[in-house]
Amino acid sequence: DVKVTQSSRYLVKRTGEKVFLECVQDMDHENMFWYRQDPGLGLRLIYFSYDVKMKEKGDIPEGYSVSREKKERFSLILESASTNQTSMYLCASSLYNYEQYFGPGTRLTVT
Amino acid sequence: KQEVTQIPAALSVPEGENLVLNCSFTDSAIYNLQWFRQDPGKGLTSLLLIQSSQREQTSGRLNASLDKSSGRSTLYIAASQPGDSATYLCAVTGGGTSYGKLTFGQGTILTVHP
Repeated sequence: DVKVTQSSRYLVKRTGEKVFLECVQDMDHENMFWYRQDPGLGLRLIYFSYDVKMKEKGDIPEGYSVSREKKERFSLILESASTNQTSMYLCASSLYNYEQYFGPGTRLTVT
Repeated sequence: KQEVTQIPAALSVPEGENLVLNCSFTDSAIYNLQWFRQDPGKGLTSLLLIQSSQREQTSGRLNASLDKSSGRSTLYIAASQPGDSATYLCAVTGGGTSYGKLTFGQGTILTVHP
């Protein structure tokens, strides 16, 4: 079975802190994605990566950056956390255009 | 820009009923369509994937159909159970070099009561 893991289930950070969210997949998938999910807004794509060191902006990249140094690992970085980045963050991976598999999510609260 | 709509937003049914969840999308140039289930506070679990060339997929009590030309998909759940209570999300992948990016609907919250 495909397994996508995220480093934390719950995270509380202060405004202005630099935050790292880590995602690891074990199925050698080329594509990896970061989404955020908010009530009333649904799931929105922040960034995605289609290969090591390759990345593209999604629909809401402002305030975020990403890093993919190894194929299995995709990190989401909040350079200076703000309260409007309080959200559920979901990582996913897929092989090309095929089925996407999601991690358990990280609920981030910025105070 | 692709838009995905799910109807109804919420559904409450007694145990044992057969039910249908609806999903529509504005741009028919999709590569595939995926149905997910999400339990409160959890990640998404993939239920079914339908390629654009397919008309339906089945897994156990679940059957998903796709009518690409009309921009519609349905998820049929047979003999519903309380354990089916969750939010069901539909998502589409665009055609071309979209690298599998998904556009999601807002979801249908399903409650199955004993």
